[in-house]
Amino acid sequence: ESVLTQSPGTLSLSPGERATLSCRSSQSVNSDYVAWYQQKPGQAPRLLIYGASSRATGIPDRFRGSGSGTDFTLTISRLEPEDFAVYYCQHYDRSPKGFGGGTKVEI
Amino acid sequence: EVQLVESGGGLVKPGGSLRLSCVASGVTVNTYSMSWVRQAPGKGLEWVSFISSSSNYIHYAESVKGRFTVSRDNAKNSLYLQMNSLTAEDTGVYYCARDRTLDFWGQGTLVAVSS
Repeated sequence: ESVLTQSPGTLSLSPGERATLSCRSSQSVNSDYVAWYQQKPGQAPRLLIYGASSRATGIPDRFRGSGSGTDFTLTISRLEPEDFAVYYCQHYDRSPKGFGGGTKVEI
Repeated sequence: EVQLVESGGGLVKPGGSLRLSCVASGVTVNTYSMSWVRQAPGKGLEWVSFISSSSNYIHYAESVKGRFTVSRDNAKNSLYLQMNSLTAEDTGVYYCARDRTLDFWGQGTLVAVSS
């Protein structure tokens, strides 16, 4: 079973700054099956990135996913006010399809 | 409008049962796998169960294996989660989501297990 660890737990930044979120797996995972989700308070999560680097429909290009093997990264190039939220990574190539613990991006 | 709508949550005593439903409208789910994901109050996301489009493949998290049963009715564009022997650790919001990539999510239904 691959366990995903996200860091940092909290990222304190200002609008316009760059955010770099890390997701590390305890075992190598197929990058075709790594996703990132955004969740705002009181809302369901939203798919941002799938296949480690493909943006989901309607996701702006300031969101970029990268990585392979055991290390994956979500980069938000210039934070907009609406980007302050919690972000989760997940692998979905085999079960259990675990999530990371999340990174909160706060102002 | 694209919607996945969960229902069936509520307050139940430890050891009790609930059956959650997820109905899709405005979005095709029949040819997609579906999953249940839950979130305990103030906590992160936890994958619960997966069912393939034809129900040939079904997987569960270890924490619910033997107690929860996932099923689907493609004719009704619906997904279900039968939850038995509930404990306080099962408390949380339960979401259904489409496809292995979880590209569409419902708004969630709250399950509270308490005496």
